[in-house]
Amino acid sequence: AQRVTQPEKLLSVFKGAPVELKCNYSYSGSPELFWYVQYSRQRLQLLLRHISRESIKGFTADLNKGETSFHLKKPFAQEEDSAMYYCALRGLDDYKLSFGAGTTVTVRA
Amino acid sequence: SAVISQKPSRDICQRGTSLTIQCQVDSQVTMMFWYRQQPGQSLTLIATANQGSEATYESGFVIDKFPISRPNLTFSTLTVSNMSPEDSSIYLCSVGVGGGSPLHFGNGTRLTVT
Repeated sequence: AQRVTQPEKLLSVFKGAPVELKCNYSYSGSPELFWYVQYSRQRLQLLLRHISRESIKGFTADLNKGETSFHLKKPFAQEEDSAMYYCALRGLDDYKLSFGAGTTVTVRA
Repeated sequence: SAVISQKPSRDICQRGTSLTIQCQVDSQVTMMFWYRQQPGQSLTLIATANQGSEATYESGFVIDKFPISRPNLTFSTLTVSNMSPEDSSIYLCSVGVGGGSPLHFGNGTRLTVT
């Protein structure tokens, strides 16, 4: 069985402060991990995926297989980062995504 | 990435009735899925819409309650049958274009059952 855990339901930070969203997973095979973001009144959209190893909008996430984690980080949060963030997992030979509960991020001026 | 049009965007329905949600993609896609997001909860996969054959349902979801059609590679429908207030949710269409690509989502249908 696959499971994604996002322990923080709400996260509030000040503009310019670092932000880290935690994601832990359990999966018996080789997983592929994603972060999706949903801004107010917009559709759910892909933010980044671990195999791309790229930074999007200043966000990075590293897959740590030892700790089974895929935490999302940004060194300097901006007000436009306020959104709902979902961590998601699928097997490398599968298309079905399993989502975490989501973390609502509020960046205060 | 694929452009996904989902309609209706929202609806208010009476209990006991049914609603059909449409998902149209601007290009052929390999995979189409239907998700549900209940109030305050995460996304849960309902089923995989298979082109030309019966959908594959996840545990807890059945065809009689959520019949799905996928007549071609660009279109699918999800029907929520015999609705009750517990069916009030956001229903999302999701597509994958193949080759290990990530999934993309429609805007969702916000359903309220009174």
